[in-house]
Amino acid sequence: DAGVTQSPTHLIKTRGQQVTLRCSPKSGHDTVSWYQQALGQGPQFIFQYYEEEERQRGNFPDRFSGHQFPNYSSELNVNALLLGDSALYLCASSLAGPSSGNTIYFGEGSWLTVV
Amino acid sequence: RKEVEQDPGPFNVPEGATVAFNCTYSNSASQSFFWYRQDCRKEPKLLMSVYSSGNEDGRFTAQLNRASQYISLLIRDSKLSDSATYLCVVNKGGSYIPTFGRGTSLIVHP
Repeated sequence: DAGVTQSPTHLIKTRGQQVTLRCSPKSGHDTVSWYQQALGQGPQFIFQYYEEEERQRGNFPDRFSGHQFPNYSSELNVNALLLGDSALYLCASSLAGPSSGNTIYFGEGSWLTVV
Repeated sequence: RKEVEQDPGPFNVPEGATVAFNCTYSNSASQSFFWYRQDCRKEPKLLMSVYSSGNEDGRFTAQLNRASQYISLLIRDSKLSDSATYLCVVNKGGSYIPTFGRGTSLIVHP
């Protein structure tokens, strides 16, 4: 049973560049959420995708965008990178449903450094 | 006030000690509660859910106090391998999005 997989694991970008991060959810899961985790902080919710639509969005600027594909995999795109975007980007998958208690499972994350 | 608040620590305890963390939440409509564990430079992993009646899993006990809006995690007989950051997670009723605290760092030393 494949867990949540993310790529790349590490990358370095220059200010102003654009980056795309990828995520494949756990087998059987249809919902993908993206989180940003800065050093010493808890994960901050960026957005969630379900049925190829952005279902909910956190307090992040429009430079952060995403996509979900028919196979439930997802991409996170960040444009015009700033130094402050340096963080661990976590993808989490879960099952959709009316219950708010569905457990989420994280991938190992993508470490982004902006220089 | 943050939605979910935790003391960042670190809590520095010897092996065999008992240690407890608290986490407070601001939204009284919150319905689901969890503790996640995060090792250094790794992803968070579910440690345990927190039920209204309290629950225990081996050396770990989680409790919920709705009146005071906090959850707690008790670790008995601490092991070196318990050293990690413990994240409190709260989910509002009707929301698909869990909110994370900043985590509490635990260091267990010999």
